[in-house]
Amino acid sequence: EDKVVQSPLSLVVHEGDTVTLNCSYEVTNFRSLLWYKQEKKAPTFLFMLTSSGIEKKSGRLSSILDKKELFSILNITATQTGDSAVYLCAVVGGADGLTFGKGTHLIIQP
Amino acid sequence: NAGVTQTPKFRILKIGQSMTLQCTQDMNHNYMYWYRQDPGMGLKLIYYSVGAGITDKGEVPNGYNVSRSTTEDFPLRLELAAPSQTSVYFCASSYEPGWQPQHFGDGTRLSIL
Repeated sequence: EDKVVQSPLSLVVHEGDTVTLNCSYEVTNFRSLLWYKQEKKAPTFLFMLTSSGIEKKSGRLSSILDKKELFSILNITATQTGDSAVYLCAVVGGADGLTFGKGTHLIIQP
Repeated sequence: NAGVTQTPKFRILKIGQSMTLQCTQDMNHNYMYWYRQDPGMGLKLIYYSVGAGITDKGEVPNGYNVSRSTTEDFPLRLELAAPSQTSVYFCASSYEPGWQPQHFGDGTRLSIL
């Protein structure tokens, strides 16, 4: 069975802190890994990762994939209250085509 | 810049009732998807479509039906609503090839009482 596991499930930090969110997977025929940010409504796309070791970066957010160890991390530096959201990891591949993790609920306190 | 539009935003149904959740996109995407998201859980794929006239089951298709008569529209039908179908439903679309970063609608919050 395809599996995507995110950790931690929830995290509370103070503004200015750096956070690292984890996503590990067991999916046959892996094709890519996607990160989304979900605030109150629809998920919005952050990164798509297909190759190991190549960091994707957008402002204070960055992500990297390790296809040997089957995981990805999402880093957020100098966090702001606007970063509070649920961060979803999804893996393309496997029997269902696309499998989402349960998400990490991140709360940034002022 | 409409993107993916879902209607209604909220709905309460009685057990056994039927309804159709509407989804339309104006980006000329071939791929469209329906997900459900239960509290504290990730998204689970219900059905997807790779183009007009073609639909396929996802991870949790039981109790649902879809159709794709046009590129723009991908309605999701619940025939006999059950309490287990209480959830938030998201429609999404993407360019070919499939599973690329998806554009999501704002969701429909459905309660079955």
